[in-house]
Amino acid sequence: DIQMTQSPSSLSASVGDRVTITCRASESIKRYLNWYQQKPGKAPNLLIYKTSTLQTGVPSRFSGSGSGTDFTLTISSLQPEDFATYYCQQSYGLLYSFGQGTKVEIK
Amino acid sequence: EVQLVESGGGLVQPGGSLTLSCAASGFTFSNHALQWVRQAPGKGLKYVSAISTNGDKTYYANSVEGRFIVSRDNSKNILSLQMGSLRAEDTAVYFCARVAPTYSLDHWGQGTLVAVSS
Repeated sequence: DIQMTQSPSSLSASVGDRVTITCRASESIKRYLNWYQQKPGKAPNLLIYKTSTLQTGVPSRFSGSGSGTDFTLTISSLQPEDFATYYCQQSYGLLYSFGQGTKVEIK
Repeated sequence: EVQLVESGGGLVQPGGSLTLSCAASGFTFSNHALQWVRQAPGKGLKYVSAISTNGDKTYYANSVEGRFIVSRDNSKNILSLQMGSLRAEDTAVYFCARVAPTYSLDHWGQGTLVAVSS
């Protein structure tokens, strides 16, 4: 099975900050990497698919990059509604494994 | 509007069984693979199971292989998860999700809570 490792597991940031979350796969997943946002008590929401394509309706302050084993989610200017937990997920293998999550908290 | 609505969760004793359902609407059900994902209280997301468009291929996480069975009824637009030999560590919110052509999960249900406890 492909293992996904996110870092950091949590971070504190202020509104307007630039935030970067990294995700590493245990083997090459080409560009089959997705990002989700989850708020407490809610289902996850797809933000980015295939490394860098924004899902419809997702603000342009979100961006993704990478290939192979190393990937990044960037929020260019953090907004109040962005405080949430973010998960990466690989969809290269048959089993779509997730990273452990990164909680973005208010500083 | 795409909708996925899970049901069937509840409290069950260790060793017991439970069947979850996910009713879909707002899209051509038979065109999409589907997945179950769970989230233990305060923990992250974990893949549970997946099923192909016509149900001929099924996949399971190692932790549930041999205990859970995923199925679908394309005539009724329903996804099911039969869970047996339940353990405390199966306690979680279970989400159903639609697999998009982009190999991402583009729509999710609201989740249903399964609690395994004596």
